[in-house]
Amino acid sequence: EVQLVQSGAEVKKPGESLRISCKGSGYSFPSYWINWVRQMPGKGLEWIGKIDPGDSYINYSPSFQGHVTISADKSIGTAYLQWSSLKASDTAIYFCARQHYYGSSVGFDSWGQGTLVTVSS
Amino acid sequence: EIVLTQSPGTLSLSPGERAALSCRASQSLSSSSLAWYQQKPGQAPRLLIYGASSRATGIPDRFSGSGSGTDFTLTISRLEPEDFAVYYCQQFGRSYTFGQGTKLEIK
Repeated sequence: EVQLVQSGAEVKKPGESLRISCKGSGYSFPSYWINWVRQMPGKGLEWIGKIDPGDSYINYSPSFQGHVTISADKSIGTAYLQWSSLKASDTAIYFCARQHYYGSSVGFDSWGQGTLVTVSS
Repeated sequence: EIVLTQSPGTLSLSPGERAALSCRASQSLSSSSLAWYQQKPGQAPRLLIYGASSRATGIPDRFSGSGSGTDFTLTISRLEPEDFAVYYCQQFGRSYTFGQGTKLEIK
């Protein structure tokens, strides 16, 4: 069974750093892109970026470029999303999702359970 | 950046009725680049449709997708109680984006 298991909820202060994780199991982790998606309280889904765990090639949404860093360690089947200096506006649920190719079509076919990040002084 | 606009924002229907949810793109898309998701409160999204019209694994056949170019539709033929949720479309162009969502609520 394909599973993505994310790290637990975090409460941080503005200016602090943070790294959250997403561990894949039940499939060949290096073979599928991992995406990160933000959902602010009561709002919709926003695509942050993606990483190819096989070679660590990364693509960011222009809206998030420079604000977060995506990385992965294929040896332990884990992807990461990190911030160097959090802001209150980073408060959100963050999902990781596996990207699956169906021929020329694409979909996020497996999702983590989400990590709630709360940034408050 | 390709913008996806979903309508209506909220759709109020009764179980057994047919639902049609719209997703309009600011630029023409390849049909292979459009997907639909369902999200229930407190849960992660679930992939329903990829390639505009292909159902993902385990998705009931009452869900169908159609459309091309800039106009796409998710249709639920006969609403079941578990179908009331928020639905998002997503495009996989140069940069990925989601629509703002349509909330399907019980009338």
